[in-house]
Amino acid sequence: EPEVTQTPSHQVTQMGQEVILRCVPISNHLYFYWYRQILGQKVEFLVSFYNNEISEKSEIFDDQFSVERPDGSNFTLKIRSTKLEDSAMYFCASSGGWGANEQFFGPGTRLTVL
Amino acid sequence: AQSVSQHNHHVILSEAASLELGCNYSYGGTVNLFWYVQYPGQHLQLLLKYFSGDPLVKGIKGFEAEFIKSKFSFNLRKPSVQWSDTAEYFCAVNAHAGNNRKLIWGLGTSLGVNP
Repeated sequence: EPEVTQTPSHQVTQMGQEVILRCVPISNHLYFYWYRQILGQKVEFLVSFYNNEISEKSEIFDDQFSVERPDGSNFTLKIRSTKLEDSAMYFCASSGGWGANEQFFGPGTRLTVL
Repeated sequence: AQSVSQHNHHVILSEAASLELGCNYSYGGTVNLFWYVQYPGQHLQLLLKYFSGDPLVKGIKGFEAEFIKSKFSFNLRKPSVQWSDTAEYFCAVNAHAGNNRKLIWGLGTSLGVNP
């Protein structure tokens, strides 16, 4: 069964450093998402991406964040200068279509900023 | 602003007990509703979804949920839980508004089932 994969599973970084979280969505999906979950809090939407551009972003997704689909398979989230409050589990998701189409989730990357 | 509330954060049941997890959302327009489950060490996966039609939706593993529009609710039910149902359960809403396709999530309910 096709699945979304994410690497690394755990990333530890120093405050102020750049991190890139990688995702490989399901191959025939066209819509991609990043969410995050800070420990003990709700899963929060960060950004959605379609046709090589951002469709929607939350207020969390400020200038420190960027997304890219550098080739036909990867979907990356870059945090330019990490802050302590960026420590969270980051989930990538993909779907075949908007709306009621199921979003398939990866296992997540746990980001720890020291 | 759209929001989702899950009323039970931690639930402990014995096997064969019935389960009902509450979910309410705040949004006045058309919504799609989802329940996702995360088993220990596994990905978030879809249990069931509602987007139109019969408000009683059946999902995998014997789960069902009922959409009650007047109550803005989408409660999850299972008549008889098993130890293997131990997991984190999340209610999520996707509101139809322009290009809005993001999922808004509840806090989650941790379910423990004692054998």
